[in-house]
This record gives sequence, structure tokens and C-alpha cells, in this order.
Amino acid sequence: NAGVTQTPKFQVLKTGQSMTLQCAQDMNHNSMYWYRQDPGMGLRLIYYSASEGTTDKGEVPNGYNVSRLNKREFSLRLESAAPSQTSVYFCASSDLTGPNYGYTFGSGTRLTVV
Amino acid sequence: DAKTTQPNSMESNEEEPVHLPCNHSTISGTDYIHWYRQLPSQGPEYVIHGLTSNVNNRMASLAIAEDRKSSTLILHRATLRDAAVYYCILRETGANNLFFGTGTRLTVIP
Repeated sequence: NAGVTQTPKFQVLKTGQSMTLQCAQDMNHNSMYWYRQDPGMGLRLIYYSASEGTTDKGEVPNGYNVSRLNKREFSLRLESAAPSQTSVYFCASSDLTGPNYGYTFGSGTRLTVV
Repeated sequence: DAKTTQPNSMESNEEEPVHLPCNHSTISGTDYIHWYRQLPSQGPEYVIHGLTSNVNNRMASLAIAEDRKSSTLILHRATLRDAAVYYCILRETGANNLFFGTGTRLTVIP
């Protein structure tokens, strides 16, 4: 009964390094999302995938790329990390994109860019 | 995104009921009202949602005003584990985002 699993849980990067955040869900959900949360703020949507094979930009997509590898997995890539990308990253999934469906979130990846 | 207004913080004594208010005066007829909570150092957790009628589940109750311009999340007996930030969110038909504001930080006093 894992739900949404994110790896790694913690990461420190140097400016300019690249990395991929992994997310997998085992609930057979169709839609997946990447959010970031900065200190004292609410979550902001980076990218989402309404269904396998599709991805779309959210509110703050600059500096990120995503891949919906299959129905279970949705990865977030930082090509050249910047200190402004220091944040907590949350992956989420939902059965469908309609307003009558709730989201299940992972426990987050805490990323520090120095 | 339609906006919601919540108090920044609230306190409750343990084992007493808690009523968390949310104003959403610009809600449209097809917007669902969702509540999530975020415990310290964890991801948000779905609590409850509704459209027009009051809703109950094992975690909480959601009371929706008749004009739908406000709603209240009710925790029937607060426990220390309920200390969290509670987010009231409107989900629009066709929108692919949950717009998280800053929520209400609930402190439960033993």
C-alpha cells in the first residue's frame, strides 16, 4: 500500500549540476503532477501529465523537464540546477483530472542547490 | 483560479471540536470545494471534498453554506496528530491544478 513514492528524499546539488527526481504510483492513476513548495508558501504546479503519453506545463515550468515514462512513473529533470530551485518537490497522482477527484501526494524530495 | 480566504492560524484544545472556516465568494456553480492538510515535513493529504451538500467521512465533515460562498471543515475531536496546515481549495471543471494558498495553521493544545 505504498501510494506515491518519491526518490531521493534529500539531495544537495551544486549550481549547474543536473539531476532527475523520480516518482512512481501504484494506484493505477491516470494523472500525475509535480509541485514545488518554497518555505512558508503553498504548493505551485510545475508540470502535469493528464494521461500516459501527455505532459503539459503548469504555473512554474521554467528550468524543468518531465517524462511520463509509463502509467506508473513520472520523472522531473533539472538540467542545470540554480539556487532558485532550492525547494521541496512533491509528486502527486489522481485517478482522473476532473474536479470530483482527490490527489494523493508523495512525501517529498528536499532539494538544496548551493 | 477562483480564490479562497482562510485565517492564517487557529488554536484548539485537544479532544474538542474544531471549525475551520473558508470564504470563497467568487465560486462558480461547477467548482468543487476540496480540503487538504499538510502535517509537518510531509506531503499534503486529501481530507474531504464536496459540491453543494454537506459531506462526512472518517476524517472530518464539510459544511457548505447554502449560497456556497463559504464552507467549514469540522474536525469532531481534535487530537495532537491533527496539528497541520489546512488548505481550502476550489477545483474548477477542466482545471488541471490544485491552487494552494497559504492555508490555516492549526495548533492543538494538550
